[in-house]
Amino acid sequence: NAGVTQTPKFRILKIGQSMTLQCTQDMNHNYMYWYRQDPGMGLKLIYYSVGAGITDKGEVPNGYNVSRSTTEDFPLRLELAAPSQTSVYFCASSAVGSNSGANVLTFGAGSRLTVL
Amino acid sequence: GQNIDQPTEMTATEGAIVQINCTYQTSGFNGLFWYQQHAGEAPTFLSYNVLDGLEEKGRFSSFLSRSKGYSYLLLKELQMKDSASYLCALMDSNYQLIWGAGTKLIIKP
Repeated sequence: NAGVTQTPKFRILKIGQSMTLQCTQDMNHNYMYWYRQDPGMGLKLIYYSVGAGITDKGEVPNGYNVSRSTTEDFPLRLELAAPSQTSVYFCASSAVGSNSGANVLTFGAGSRLTVL
Repeated sequence: GQNIDQPTEMTATEGAIVQINCTYQTSGFNGLFWYQQHAGEAPTFLSYNVLDGLEEKGRFSSFLSRSKGYSYLLLKELQMKDSASYLCALMDSNYQLIWGAGTKLIIKP
């Protein structure tokens, strides 16, 4: 199984540009998440989804949008990129919901985004 | 509020034992996770504790004391491949994960 696949792995954007980070999982997980990871800081939740057609904001949603049209896909869109969005982005999925201690996350390999 | 702290960096010798501590403050608690993250790679799950005590899994063990707001990850018989960052994550009363900044472990021969 491929697990969680993210694309692209690296991208450089100019300020004001838009782009979509793709995330696909083949484990039939209902729960999917987008995190960003900045140096010296813990992972921050951007958006999450508990199933197809349902999305919710996390801790740092401003400047991002998501959609969940299928169980497999959970793309993250950056509108009007800003230098503050320079970060490493991780998509993750889990088989059970966050209301369970067994909520083990499977992460994608990450997407390193630089906004200049 | 919620707060989670772990040392920024630690150094240990191949074959030795190292303990990585994680302290937290929270109004609600639903478990504590440890993940391993090699440089440039994704985090991978190591352990989960929700009750006090020690959970052993091969060379890795994780301990939790809820009354003290304290957990540690114990790595035995260190190997060079254990060089990585170790992330502590708290699951709060709303079942949201609060992540520590991670401890970078450097293993020397």
